[in-house]
Amino acid sequence: QVQLVQSGAEVKKPGASVNVSCKASGYTFTSHYMHWVRQAPGQGLEWMGIINPTDGSTSYAQRFQGRIAMTRDRSTSIVYMELSSLRSEDTAVYYCARRMGPTGFDYWGQGTLVTVSS
Amino acid sequence: DIQMTQSPSSLSASVGDRVTITCRASQGINNFLAWYQQKPGKVPKLLIYTASTLQSGVPSRFSGSGSGTDFTLTISSLQPEDVATYYCQKYNSAPFTFGPGTKVDIK
Repeated sequence: QVQLVQSGAEVKKPGASVNVSCKASGYTFTSHYMHWVRQAPGQGLEWMGIINPTDGSTSYAQRFQGRIAMTRDRSTSIVYMELSSLRSEDTAVYYCARRMGPTGFDYWGQGTLVTVSS
Repeated sequence: DIQMTQSPSSLSASVGDRVTITCRASQGINNFLAWYQQKPGKVPKLLIYTASTLQSGVPSRFSGSGSGTDFTLTISSLQPEDVATYYCQKYNSAPFTFGPGTKVDIK
């Protein structure tokens, strides 16, 4: 069965970077784009960016440009999302989510809580 | 960028009521519109894609309609387990923007 398993919670200081991983299993890793979405406490869903697992090409939401990087490792079926220059407003649950063809995001990771605090 | 709006931001209805949530895109999105349900403390769940296609396993009381810029999610008979926040999302092209959400609870 399809599973997206994310790395564990992180606590970071302002200005630091965080790297969240998402391991995919149960399907062909290169067949589906992977997205990252975050949700600040009590807030809505915010799309952050997309990575093509086949060639590693990416597209990021404008507000994260310059401090976000998504990469993938085809040998382990893992995608990574690194966010740098963290500030308190980046405290959120970060999700990876798979998009299958014409559908929306049909499978989601369990979420990774990133807390930014001095 | 295309903006997504939803109305109402919250609603309270009785069990068995028909509930309607509206989503509007600032430009046409070719029906690449999805609806998600997120229960408190849980991961979002895909309900509907391409505006009106029910995701496998989703109860038939959920339905979607609309095209172009105006879309609707309908729960035909609200159940206690439908208490959640509902989000629409455009996914025709990046950015894959979500609406602000509609919180549904039981009166």
